[in-house]
Amino acid sequence: AQSVTQLGSHVSVSEGALVLLRCNYSSSVPPYLFWYVQYPNQGLQLLLKYTSAATLVKGINGFEAEFKKSETSFHLTKPSAHMSDAAEYFCAVSDGGSSASKIIFGSGTRLSIRP
Amino acid sequence: GAVVSQHPSWVICKSGTSVKIECRSLDFQATTMFWYRQFPKQSLMLMATSNEGSKATYEQGVEKDKFLINHASLTLSTLTVTSAHPEDSSFYICSAVISGRAGKTQYFGPGTRLLVL
Repeated sequence: AQSVTQLGSHVSVSEGALVLLRCNYSSSVPPYLFWYVQYPNQGLQLLLKYTSAATLVKGINGFEAEFKKSETSFHLTKPSAHMSDAAEYFCAVSDGGSSASKIIFGSGTRLSIRP
Repeated sequence: GAVVSQHPSWVICKSGTSVKIECRSLDFQATTMFWYRQFPKQSLMLMATSNEGSKATYEQGVEKDKFLINHASLTLSTLTVTSAHPEDSSFYICSAVISGRAGKTQYFGPGTRLLVL
């Protein structure tokens, strides 16, 4: 079965600093991996997804993630944090190896930005 | 614009009543929709898979008689929480699988917040 593990339930960085949110996956098939962001009291917004094309995936709002098979990782990064990036971030994997399958979510990482 | 809508966006009800939540794919057909539940400060947990024209598939531990799912058309799936109790208070989010030029993509609705008093 597919699963994802997010390391760190809470990450705090200064405005302008590098953002690094960690995610490791476990999958018996080539994985489809996602990062979603959730702002308070709102639904999910897709940041980016990996579907076995380029290993470095660029998403919205300046975020990107790199798929590393050797490390079974899919960490999310942003070079310079902005106050508006404060939110909950979920790493996820598709159960079944396609975008049409049910999605298994990680436990989430709350990102705080210090002025 | 939004691809998937949910109605209502929030609902407050008395314990013992039933609540229906709608999930609609806007301008697109979705043969498959998923229903998730999110408790405060927790992640999303899949409740069931809803397939148009057939019975929903429930995840382990989810009571199918309590959470009734109907996917009557290619653009609408409904989740009915029957005899709701305070422990059912949660954020319910649906998603729809929509086929396009780039293949199949799953879009999430904005969620429905349920508070059972």
